[in-house]
Amino acid sequence: DTGVSQNPRHKITKRGQNVTFRCDPISEHNRLYWYRQTLGQGPEFLTYFQNEAQLEKSRLLSDRFSAERPKGSFSTLEIQRTEQGDSAMYLCASSLTMNTEAFFGQGTRLTVV
Amino acid sequence: SQELEQSPQSLIVQEGKNLTINCTSSKTLYGLYWYKQKYGEGLIFLMMLQKGGEEKSHEKITAKLDEKKQQSSLHITASQPSHAGIYLCGALISGSARQLTFGSGTQLTVLP
Repeated sequence: DTGVSQNPRHKITKRGQNVTFRCDPISEHNRLYWYRQTLGQGPEFLTYFQNEAQLEKSRLLSDRFSAERPKGSFSTLEIQRTEQGDSAMYLCASSLTMNTEAFFGQGTRLTVV
Repeated sequence: SQELEQSPQSLIVQEGKNLTINCTSSKTLYGLYWYKQKYGEGLIFLMMLQKGGEEKSHEKITAKLDEKKQQSSLHITASQPSHAGIYLCGALISGSARQLTFGSGTQLTVLP
């Protein structure tokens, strides 16, 4: 499968714990995006990378959130001290350039209890 | 996102009927993307439109972009149960043109 891959698919964690998600984009795609989606809503932009550089962060990305793409390939999204409001589907997407098709992974569903 | 409005929010049609979903931007559009999503899953790319007047088709799904109206429509001909799901429009819009802004989606149910 050469699509965007996200792990894990599901994560249940206790409030206050840290969690980390991984995204493997389509090979050779320079741009990688993280989105968050809650029930009944469209995805909301969190951050994006051009190769290894994090070029933009949404104000939704509080200081408890951090994302990396160390070698310009896979990316990780970490949430520290999780809160119940962090419960959502976290989606990763990649594209070759800005104006080309963006393909999404299957998402990681986070439940904070 | 209020910047991108989708209508209707939900739609129930009988199998075989045609339907249209609209997506309207309050800001200048630089590109419009349509996706389909099954509940609890990721987004499946359908089509991308970049030029005013552009129209693309894939199987029984056709999408058009009206740049002047800052609007796109997705039309499904002779709907089938396999078309059921959530349809999302995403756009590159002025002020945030480096990432997609999404509408809240249209939930489509096709009755057999």
